[in-house]
Amino acid sequence: EAQVTQNPRYLITVTGKKLTVTCSQNMNHEYMSWYRQDPGLGLRQIYYSMNVEVTDKGDVPEGYKVSRKEKRNFPLILESPSPNQTSLYFCASSRTSGWVQGEQYFGPGTRLTVT
Amino acid sequence: AQKITQTQPGMFVQEKEAVTLDCTYDTSDQSYGLFWYKQPSSGEMIFLIYQGSYDEQNATEGRYSLNFQKARKSANLVISASQLGDSAMYFCASGGNNQGGKLIFGQGTELSVKP
Repeated sequence: EAQVTQNPRYLITVTGKKLTVTCSQNMNHEYMSWYRQDPGLGLRQIYYSMNVEVTDKGDVPEGYKVSRKEKRNFPLILESPSPNQTSLYFCASSRTSGWVQGEQYFGPGTRLTVT
Repeated sequence: AQKITQTQPGMFVQEKEAVTLDCTYDTSDQSYGLFWYKQPSSGEMIFLIYQGSYDEQNATEGRYSLNFQKARKSANLVISASQLGDSAMYFCASGGNNQGGKLIFGQGTELSVKP
């Protein structure tokens, strides 16, 4: 089954404790990205990757890091989480730049709470 | 910069009736795509329908159709024969040839279907 998986699905952590949210897709997609969703703001892109070893900032990259060492994986790293990073996070992938192909596949979401 | 506007924070519809969710977009891109996603209370983002800016016919997917009016920059979602399971948040999004694959999301419309 074609899918994007994220882990963990739920996470409660404390300020400053480094964490990684994993994302993996099994569709051989080149393009992957991370979004965060906050009430009243819709989804905003954090980082994206056009292909392996190619990453770039989205609209809200502060406080986040990413890496793309393999095509299928695109982890999101929070080196020192803060309460304002409490949010619902989505990983997404598509064959190329999402809109051209008419669809971006989204993962199930990771609900992160930073206390 | 692209912008998506969804002016209806919440809507009610009677079961089996049709409903239109509004979406207007603002873009300077020559080529762009418009998307609708459904987000049920469980949180996942479910792709519903896509319209390319050069598509002359309105997109349809089962009970979903996209009323695309390019001159008015609107991309309204029409759901025919509403079902109780249609109760969810609905997001309009767009991507363009100058957006690096990023999707820009509106703030969403919460649809409630009454029995």
